[in-house]
Amino acid sequence: DAGITQSPRHKVTETGTPVTLRCHQTENHRYMYWYRQDPGHGLRLIHYSYGVKDTDKGEVSDGYSVSRSKTEDFLLTLESATSSQTSVYFCAIGSDGQAFFGQGTRLTVV
Amino acid sequence: KNQVEQSPQSLIILEGKNCTLQCNYTVSPFSNLRWYKQDTGRGPVSLTIMTFSENTKSNGRYTATLDADTKQSSLHITASQLSDSASYICVVSPMNTGFQKLVFGTGTRLLVSP
Repeated sequence: DAGITQSPRHKVTETGTPVTLRCHQTENHRYMYWYRQDPGHGLRLIHYSYGVKDTDKGEVSDGYSVSRSKTEDFLLTLESATSSQTSVYFCAIGSDGQAFFGQGTRLTVV
Repeated sequence: KNQVEQSPQSLIILEGKNCTLQCNYTVSPFSNLRWYKQDTGRGPVSLTIMTFSENTKSNGRYTATLDADTKQSSLHITASQLSDSASYICVVSPMNTGFQKLVFGTGTRLLVSP
């Protein structure tokens, strides 16, 4: 899995609570990404980072924020979780030539 | 709108048989096309990556082909094994864009039966 660790792997949370997912890499890669994967949809980009403190929005960024204070860590925060954010979240590192995905975090919002 | 469509949605084959998965895309121009394998409960893992100028790329029993004129790609699996049971995702990268602009298909779910 190319040195990418996501935590937690599974989480159940209540509507309206804040949730933070963590992605940790040991590859010293500049670019990091957060995706969500839902049935009937391809992977969709939420946010990405191109360096420490440098982030940008993806296709489905509403309701999510990110932070990157160190090269190795990229955090995804749901400020107030909603049922529509129940999904599997994947972190990825890489660039156009090659990319690697983490094992995913299954988040259920009840 | 850039789109990637895969067919079939799901497929069941007997162990040892061959199969071919299809990918049609509207992304144009594009720089590369990738196939990923995603095991249940795991992240996608790259199988092949082809630039727009390549016609075929192999990775063991996996062979990907690309026809840029018809905007079609296929992934052929030879002598299937139980471990090939997974989802296979086609991904296209638009020209002059980074990884953040990748267009993902919804995948084909393959089940290899003993």
